[in-house]
Amino acid sequence: DQQVKQNSPSLSVQEGRISILNCDYTNSMFDYFLWYKKYPAEGPTFLISISSIKDKNEDGRFTVFLNKSAKHLSLHIVPSQPGDSAVYFCAATVWNNDMRFGAGTRLTVKP
Amino acid sequence: EAGVTQSPTHLIKTRGQQATLRCSPISGHTSVYWYQQALGLGLQFLLWYDEGEERNRGNFPPRFSGRQFPNYSSELNVNALELEDSALYLCASSSFAGGFHEQFFGPGTRLTVL
Repeated sequence: DQQVKQNSPSLSVQEGRISILNCDYTNSMFDYFLWYKKYPAEGPTFLISISSIKDKNEDGRFTVFLNKSAKHLSLHIVPSQPGDSAVYFCAATVWNNDMRFGAGTRLTVKP
Repeated sequence: EAGVTQSPTHLIKTRGQQATLRCSPISGHTSVYWYQQALGLGLQFLLWYDEGEERNRGNFPPRFSGRQFPNYSSELNVNALELEDSALYLCASSSFAGGFHEQFFGPGTRLTVL
């Protein structure tokens, strides 16, 4: 069962513009959400997270928004840079249990 | 500080064989997690070990098993390999039990089943 979904397999944006990556989930028990970034031949690296008690978390160019009523979260990257080109995974966890990942969105930032 | 390491980088097996994948966590980390990333899919949670014990497992058949050694390194064993087991297998570690939100990933082992 795919409890975390990333419906856009790819996204292409121009350098300097905003990148918005979306993620939907079905399990209302999820209490923590994370975004990972993955380059080829490397493991995923943690990018930013948000607790279910918050609706926004910001870290530099990266902001994650959580809409619990819609069971939707998004990652905003502003401004986008060519080095941001990677696969981005959305993940959700129930504390001390397991972690569910989306299928990933490949972001391409064009110079 | 060395990160999570995995070996081998690539592994090629035939149907019905057994595969053994290895993972060394970050020094001081006691929890090890295994994930499978099949083509076009996200990471699927496989197994979680902490202090030598299996704490949780994902929705995978029993032929996926593993263990954690006293030095906290871990092995993932896949018996009776099937073609659909071809995937990237990722290991992660965290400094405390259930630290899914603070796990660090290794580069993965690419398993190909012919």
